[in-house]
Amino acid sequence: GAVVSQHPSRVICKSGTSVKIECRSLDFQATTMFWYRQFPKQSLMLMATSNEGSKATYEQGVEKDKFLINHASLTLSTLTVTSAHPEDSSFYICSASTDRGRYEQYFGPGTRLTVT
Amino acid sequence: AQSVTQLGSHVSVSEGALVLLRCNYSSSVPPYLFWYVQYPNQGLQLLLKYTSAATLVKGINGFEAEFKKSETSFHLTKPSAHMSDAAEYFCAVRASLGGSYIPTFGRGTSLIVHP
Repeated sequence: GAVVSQHPSRVICKSGTSVKIECRSLDFQATTMFWYRQFPKQSLMLMATSNEGSKATYEQGVEKDKFLINHASLTLSTLTVTSAHPEDSSFYICSASTDRGRYEQYFGPGTRLTVT
Repeated sequence: AQSVTQLGSHVSVSEGALVLLRCNYSSSVPPYLFWYVQYPNQGLQLLLKYTSAATLVKGINGFEAEFKKSETSFHLTKPSAHMSDAAEYFCAVRASLGGSYIPTFGRGTSLIVHP
């Protein structure tokens, strides 16, 4: 089956620093990757959709200058949280799909970000 | 437009008892429906999906769900709960081919299994 990995699985960073999270599709080419944020005991909130080679499309209310998304290849997308603050602490999950999400999304295992 | 309502943020059952997690949806176009399971500090794993074929869908780990258009429901069931089923369950809806492919997730239902 399709496998999506995320790295790191957990990261702790100091307030004001930036942190990069990688999302990789290991055995398929992902034309589209999605980035979600999940608060404790809550559902997934879509942050942005990125298509390979294009700029990401951000959901309303998500700061694109704070959450930088790059989808430079068909197997890798990165989310960089810039100038992190404690309120950015959350669980970030990516998913990947072929054909712009027409079919199934495959989810990564998530990254727990803690900003101190 | 599409939305999902999961009734009950927590469902508690005894081991061996029937599991029933409720999901109602709304969609302006024929929907695809999904159930995902999430274990603590992990991503989402697909349990099963409805994509306009058979209305009774069987998934992994003994779960199944029935698409009922007249009731706009897609409830998840399992005849006999195991301790290992304790997790968070999310129902999701998205448009079928031709609509938006971005799913909308419900708020989740936490399944608690007692010995």
